[in-house]
Amino acid sequence: DTEVTQTPKHLVMGMTNKKSLKCEQHMGHRAMYWYKQKAKKPPELMFVYSYEKLSINESVPSRFSPECPNSSLLNLHLHALQPEDSALYLCASSQDPLDRRGRYGYTFGSGTRLTVV
Amino acid sequence: SQELEQSPQSLIVQEGKNLTINCTSSKTLYGLYWYKQKYGEGLIFLMMLQKGGEEKSHEKITAKLDEKKQQSSLHITASQPSHAGIYLCGADGDRGSTLGRLYFGRGTQLTVWP
Repeated sequence: DTEVTQTPKHLVMGMTNKKSLKCEQHMGHRAMYWYKQKAKKPPELMFVYSYEKLSINESVPSRFSPECPNSSLLNLHLHALQPEDSALYLCASSQDPLDRRGRYGYTFGSGTRLTVV
Repeated sequence: SQELEQSPQSLIVQEGKNLTINCTSSKTLYGLYWYKQKYGEGLIFLMMLQKGGEEKSHEKITAKLDEKKQQSSLHITASQPSHAGIYLCGADGDRGSTLGRLYFGRGTQLTVWP
């Protein structure tokens, strides 16, 4: 299995709703990432988990709450979002978070298209 | 942070033509990645380059990293409609980072018409 699987593919939620995005990989990768991508913009890093611990939070608002229950799963819990949070949310993984020589690269999922109404 | 400039922003070519996309970094690159993205979809990994002067090819796509490791080019030979999409270059963050922050260029929108 060489994929990163994201569910759901599409999500529409109201500003008072609570929802979660899920990401799963079975490649044995020990680093997992959440990216946010607005239309016609490059992906922007939100969070990094290394060995199931949060290692980077790029000053993301608290209405986004990441969780890494185990080495294969990554969740993004959403609460009280704003319409401007509508975007494509991408999950990625890489083999070794301490690999500073970038030998392994990053594998991306197909994303969750989120619309906040 | 790592800043990547991609050019051109968009490219429209006729099927069968060759094309080149460039990615220039403000800092030395330790890992340079090329991805392709269809609108609203995930990123498809194309190639990774690390060494100055390195060149890799996959089918009709060739990517190079210059000797100084501050510029990369992606070249498509005999383009086809299936090559259409957004091409993104990405680079690992500063050497001193404890983890690989992957920064992206703004992307190049490629359209190939029959």
